[in-house]
Amino acid sequence: DGGITQSPKYLFRKEGQNVTLSCEQNLNHDAMYWYRQDPGQGLRLIYYSQIVNDFQKGDIAEGYSVSREKKESFPLTVTSAQKNPTAFYLCASKGGFSAGGPLGGEQFFGPGTRLTVL
Amino acid sequence: AQTVTQSQPEMSVQEAETVTLSCTYDTSENNYYLFWYKQPPSRQMILVIRQEAYKQQNATENRFSVNFQKAAKSFSLKISDSQLGDTAMYFCAFMKGTNAGKSTFGDGTTLTVKP
Repeated sequence: DGGITQSPKYLFRKEGQNVTLSCEQNLNHDAMYWYRQDPGQGLRLIYYSQIVNDFQKGDIAEGYSVSREKKESFPLTVTSAQKNPTAFYLCASKGGFSAGGPLGGEQFFGPGTRLTVL
Repeated sequence: AQTVTQSQPEMSVQEAETVTLSCTYDTSENNYYLFWYKQPPSRQMILVIRQEAYKQQNATENRFSVNFQKAAKSFSLKISDSQLGDTAMYFCAFMKGTNAGKSTFGDGTTLTVKP
């Protein structure tokens, strides 16, 4: 089945450590996104990539890094520079718009990773 | 830059009744798309409904429909015959009408359906 996966589901990090969150999609989507969600709040964009080997900063990129070496994969590294990394992280991908099609343009989301700093 | 505002942080509705969630947005674009996403307690975000700005007809998906007022920049979601499974956080989102670019999300409305 086509979809988007994230791993691990839960992740614990000690202060000062870097950790990498995995995001993989087999939907053949060009665009991929990373969001951070804090309790009871909306989604804030960290980074996004519209094509392989290219990515742009979102609204809260400080303390995070990404790579996009393959179309299917868009890993997010939370570095020690991120002062308050405890949050829920969502990865998403987006296909292109198709004229008249019922689907297109909407984002497909992974199940998320809950990161806790100990 | 685009902004999306959901003015109702929390709402509740009795099972089988109808509820409307509000969303307003601000943009200078003429070609864009609007979405409502649902995030249930499992936290898996899924698309509820999608509206193209160039279409005057309001989108409908079973019990879910929108009231799209382009001039007023308003995009409300109506849920008819509410079910317990509709309990979730609902996000309104805006996207420019190109294949590239990012979405702008509202802060969400937490909807509770009461038995």
